[in-house]
Amino acid sequence: EVQLVESGGGLIQPGRSLRLSCAASGFIFHDYAMHWVRQVPGKGLEWVSGISWNSDRIVYADSVKGRFTISRDNAKNSLHLQMNSLKTEDTALYYCTRGPTVTIEYNWFDPWGQGTLVTVSS
Amino acid sequence: QSVLTQPPSVSGAPGQRITISCTGSSSNIGAGSDVHWYQHLPGTAPKLLIYADTHRPSGVPDRFSGSKSGTSASLAITGLQAEDEADYYCQSFDSNMRGVFGGGTKVTVL
Repeated sequence: EVQLVESGGGLIQPGRSLRLSCAASGFIFHDYAMHWVRQVPGKGLEWVSGISWNSDRIVYADSVKGRFTISRDNAKNSLHLQMNSLKTEDTALYYCTRGPTVTIEYNWFDPWGQGTLVTVSS
Repeated sequence: QSVLTQPPSVSGAPGQRITISCTGSSSNIGAGSDVHWYQHLPGTAPKLLIYADTHRPSGVPDRFSGSKSGTSASLAITGLQAEDEADYYCQSFDSNMRGVFGGGTKVTVL
């Protein structure tokens, strides 16, 4: 069974850092691009970042560019999101999700994890 | 404000047909980027409903269908059922390879 399990969320003060992780299982991890998508409570979905199979192509949403860093460890079947200089507007449920191919271009997202909640508040 | 525009809500009686529109621009849908649709129930992971404009993943009922024309796309649900009550999102990519979503449409079964 294909499974994505996020971890690392929690309550954090503005300006601090947090690292999210996503453990993948049930598929050949290095055969797929991966993405992070978030949902502010009560709001819609927002794409955050995507990374190609070998990390040579990485793209960020303007809202997080320069503060967030996406990375992957194919040996450990894991995806990460390093979030620095966190703002209150980064409060959201963060989902890990998979693209259909090795590249990030024109991906659809399937499957999705259950998400990990990040709350940025003083 | 979302890059792709969807109606906030759509409703219909059981058995009816409803459609959800998704309007983009020449920088995303109009540039040839495929449109994908997701169903999202509160407290659960979003579920892929339609990919590459018109394709249904295995297991998705054929009551769900997608179409695209120009800078817009649509999701149709025929034979509306109570279990279809959920939020629906369209998604595409822009010319800078950034993912973009619609604001979401809440479907209510009357």
